[in-house]
This record gives sequence, C-alpha cells and structure tokens, in this order.
Amino acid sequence: QVYLQESGPGLVKPSQTLSLTCSVSGVSINNRDYFWSWIRQHPVEGLQYIGSTRYGGGTDYTPSLEGRVTISIDTSKNHLSLRLTAVTAADTAVYYCVTSSDWGEYWGQGTLVTVSS
Amino acid sequence: IVLTQSPATLSLSPGERATLSCRASQSVTDSLFWYQQKPGQAPRLLISYTSSRATGIPARFSGFGSETDFTLTISSLEPEDFALYYCRQRNEWPSTFGQGTRLEIK
Repeated sequence: QVYLQESGPGLVKPSQTLSLTCSVSGVSINNRDYFWSWIRQHPVEGLQYIGSTRYGGGTDYTPSLEGRVTISIDTSKNHLSLRLTAVTAADTAVYYCVTSSDWGEYWGQGTLVTVSS
Repeated sequence: IVLTQSPATLSLSPGERATLSCRASQSVTDSLFWYQQKPGQAPRLLISYTSSRATGIPARFSGFGSETDFTLTISSLEPEDFALYYCRQRNEWPSTFGQGTRLEIK
C-alpha cells in the first residue's frame, strides 16, 4: 500500500519561501511507472494543480506559478519536495502530495500552510 | 480549460438517485475524472477517464459523457455518500478542477 505524508512549517511569512516534504512509503520514488505531483486547495478558490514530475523524466509546473515553484525528487530519502518562493497570502492553502500510476492514485492527508506576518 | 459543475448544492435523501454535472469550456475527450471529498480528508478518486471506477469504488457510482459534457450518477444514495464532489480534466496541461458540487442530506 502506498502511503504519502506531507510535512513542513504551518506558518510562513510573506515574501519568504515555503518548503514542504512528502515522505513516501510502499513504493520507490524512482519507480518510473509513477508520476508525483503537488496539488493545493485554497479555502475559496478550490483545487489547483501545482506541478508534477517523474523519476528520469521532466518536471512540469502550472503556468501561474512557474518561476516561483520547484518540485524535486530525493531518491536517498524516498521523498518528494516542493519549494515555492516569494509567497503571499494567496498561497495560503492545504498542500497535497499525490502519486498516480496505471494501478491507482494516492493522496497524502495534506498539510495546511498559512502565509501571514 | 474551465470546468463548470452544477448544481453547486444538491439536497437529496438516502436511497434517492443523484446526478451531478460537469461541463468543460472545450473538449477534454474522455480525460475526465471524478473525486469525492469528505471534511478533513483528501479528495478520493472515484472515476477515471469518464467511466472507469477506481479500485474499491462501489458499483452505485457511474460516470458518463464525452467531449464537454459529463455526469456522475449515484444510483441509490448511502449515508456515507453525502460529501463534496469534484470533476477534473487531464486532457490539457495544466490539469484543472471544477468548483465542486456539495451533496447534502435533505
């Protein structure tokens, strides 16, 4: 069974960098059959796809966040990372780590990040 | 691609049939997915590629449609089905979600 667990600071100040980690168990993150994504859920605006990557493949970011966002894989720790720079209150959301393959889709429980001074 | 879900809220009783709609601003072919979300939980995939139920999803959930018009039908509502439902397209980058339909107990 695939299990994803997001972690990171719950509070980030405006203009600073948001950094989250997704710990993966049940599958190796270097398994090329799996895509790894970050999706966030705003209180009002709803669900937004941030970007995705696959081991040995490229990384794609949603255009509205490109330039501020980086998604990376760490095979030594079997985890996925998200980095979002220059945050504003509009980046306040629950952030989810998601993986998908031909065999199913799995979501982490999500982590709430609030941007506030 | 903008996905518009209707109605925003659907009030029904257990045992009734629910029909939720998702309309795309342009064709998404069959690359339309449905999710269920309960309070405090992550969305859960129900339906892939318009009509394929995900593993473990009961047969009372069914999806239909093509191009721009899609429906999710719950044939006979169980108490645990009252939740938020989202559609999502993966035909064009970036993948986008609808705003959701809240299915509430009447």
